[in-house]
Amino acid sequence: NAGVMQNPRHLVRRRGQEARLRCSPMKGHSHVYWYRQLPEEGLKFMVYLQKENIIDESGMPKERFSAEFPKEGPSILRIQQVVRGDSAAYFCASSPWAPWDTQYFGPGTRLTVL
Amino acid sequence: DQQVKQNSPSLSVQEGRISILNCDYTNSMFDYFLWYKKYPAEGPTFLISISSIKDKNEDGRFTVFLNKSAKHLSLHIVPSQPGDSAVYFCAARDTGNQFYFGTGTSLTVIP
Repeated sequence: NAGVMQNPRHLVRRRGQEARLRCSPMKGHSHVYWYRQLPEEGLKFMVYLQKENIIDESGMPKERFSAEFPKEGPSILRIQQVVRGDSAAYFCASSPWAPWDTQYFGPGTRLTVL
Repeated sequence: DQQVKQNSPSLSVQEGRISILNCDYTNSMFDYFLWYKKYPAEGPTFLISISSIKDKNEDGRFTVFLNKSAKHLSLHIVPSQPGDSAVYFCAARDTGNQFYFGTGTSLTVIP
C-alpha cells in the first residue's frame, strides 16, 4: 500500500506565477489535510477536505489560496500570484476512518518563489 | 499564538542513554496528543499518541507521558539509537478536531 504521494517534490516559481501542488492520499483514505511549514516554524494547518467538499479552511489565507479534492484524482492546493512569503514546505496528510484521526503525511513539496 | 510549544530546538544524547523530549501546551481542551518524527526531505511519520484520559502510553522503546495539570507532554526514548536522530514534533488536537503542531526538536544520538 503506497503512502501519501505528493508532487512535485520541489517547485520553483517566479513572483506572480501560479503554483499547483498535488496530493494523492493513501488508498482507502478519504480525508485530506494540507499543512504549511515556514522556516523555523512548526506545521500550520491550512485546510481539511473530503471528496468534493471543503470541510475546514480556517487556516487558509483568504486570498490567492484554494484547495480542492475532486471525486476522481488527487487533491490540489493552488496558489495564485505567488509571492516570496509563500516559499515554504507544503505537506499533505490523509486519514482513514474519521475526521482528524491519526494522520499520515506525504513527503512534502518545497516551494521556492524567486 | 503558538498553542503547542517545544522550547528546546535541539537535543544531543549518547547512544544507549535516555532521550527526553518535552512539549508544553496552553489549551486545556486538547483531548488527543501525538508525536511525529521527521527525517530531512521526508514528511512527518506518526510515532505514538495518547488520549487525554491517560497519563502514559508505551510502545517499545517509546513512552509518552501526559501531565494535564501542568499541560505538559514528554516523549521518552530508551535506549536511544543513532537511527532515532531526527526532528520530533508534538501535536495536539482540540475539540474542534484541528491539530496544532509544535516547532520541533532536533534530536541527535551520538554513537
